[in-house]
Amino acid sequence: GQQVMQIPQYQHVQEGEDFTTYCNSSTTLSNIQWYKQRPGGHPVFLIQLVKSGEVKKQKRLTFQFGEAKKNSSLHITATQTTDVGTYFCAGPTTSGTYKYIFGTGTRLKVLA
Amino acid sequence: SAVISQKPSRDICQRGTSLTIQCQVDSQVTMMFWYRQQPGQSLTLIATANQGSEATYESGFVIDKFPISRPNLTFSTLTVSNMSPEDSSIYLCSVESGTSGELFFGEGSRLTVL
Repeated sequence: GQQVMQIPQYQHVQEGEDFTTYCNSSTTLSNIQWYKQRPGGHPVFLIQLVKSGEVKKQKRLTFQFGEAKKNSSLHITATQTTDVGTYFCAGPTTSGTYKYIFGTGTRLKVLA
Repeated sequence: SAVISQKPSRDICQRGTSLTIQCQVDSQVTMMFWYRQQPGQSLTLIATANQGSEATYESGFVIDKFPISRPNLTFSTLTVSNMSPEDSSIYLCSVESGTSGELFFGEGSRLTVL
């Protein structure tokens, strides 16, 4: 079945270091979304990428959609303690519109 | 944007009992989604709740175990029936924005089954 995998599963960084999480889909995606879930919280939408090779930036966060539209990455420059949480990518399922399959997630811990 | 209220926020239940989770949205939406998030895991879609029709369940989830109601365009319930400890999870209600495709989530209902 359709799968969306993320690596790494966990990442501990010192505050100020950079962080990257990679997302790989078993199928080509029409778009990809990224969410952040703080500890004890619910997922919150960060961004959606649609075009092949698209790159978008939000302050210290850079999102990229692969040329083949099967992979994506999220890079955080100079992490801060507020970046702590789990980052999920999500892509539309092959079985229906508006239904999303979530990646396995990368849990980020930032050490002050 | 959408504001979603879920209740209960958490509950502790006995094995064999059932619990109904309510989800209220502050605007009318066509589809509502129910997700499960097991401890330390990702989100898994349980079903899509459509107003006026039967819910659509994903592989591995059945109506007898997770009956869903959708009486109007702003409300839905998910029941977890005949619970076992394996049902201990966070259950999340979600709606899609309709324009950007963004999913909005409720705060979640943390269920512990003893």
